[in-house]
Amino acid sequence: SQQGEEDPQALSIQEGENATMNCSYKTSINNLQWYRQNSGRGLVHLILIRSNEREKHSGRLRVTLDTSKKSSSLLITASRAADTASYFCATGRGGSEKLVFGKGTKLTVNP
Amino acid sequence: NAGVTQTPKFQVLKTGQSMTLQCAQDMNHNSMYWYRQDPGMGLRLIYYSASEGTTDKGEVPNGYNVSRLNKREFSLRLESAAPSQTSVYFCASSEGDLPYQETQYFGPGTRLLVL
Repeated sequence: SQQGEEDPQALSIQEGENATMNCSYKTSINNLQWYRQNSGRGLVHLILIRSNEREKHSGRLRVTLDTSKKSSSLLITASRAADTASYFCATGRGGSEKLVFGKGTKLTVNP
Repeated sequence: NAGVTQTPKFQVLKTGQSMTLQCAQDMNHNSMYWYRQDPGMGLRLIYYSASEGTTDKGEVPNGYNVSRLNKREFSLRLESAAPSQTSVYFCASSEGDLPYQETQYFGPGTRLLVL
């Protein structure tokens, strides 16, 4: 399986600090996506990065992709209490291969 | 624009009972999906549909059936519920016909408890 694995499983930081989460996968991919899930809610798409891209930004979010190391990182800068959520990476190989979700990183931002 | 809606929000069933989870999207998306989420397991794909009238099995299809009624609606049926099907079920949709290469939009989920 090419399941993405997030690291760490849980992360607790203070408001204003940066949060970094990592995702590693096993086989070549077409794209990698990051999603956020607030407690008791559905997943919300954050960023999609394709295999030929190295970095993407969206507001306070920065995603990097290193295909040689088969890893991606999600950086949230100047975190806020509202960023408290679980963050999932999902990897897609393209074609008919299913999108595969990791187990998530649970981020807690303390006020 | 409601996005992806799911009903019911919460359901309790007894072992052996049947039920249908409903999902609808108003974004004119071609592809729709059903996932289940269990603690420590991430999301696992149950079934997916690339278009009206077509469905495909995912990672954990046993015990489930689906129906793509039209472009908007994709239902998931449990014919004979088992305690192992206690989970949170999410419906999702994506725009085109490259389902695994696109952003997926998720509904709020249905929490199912099978006693």
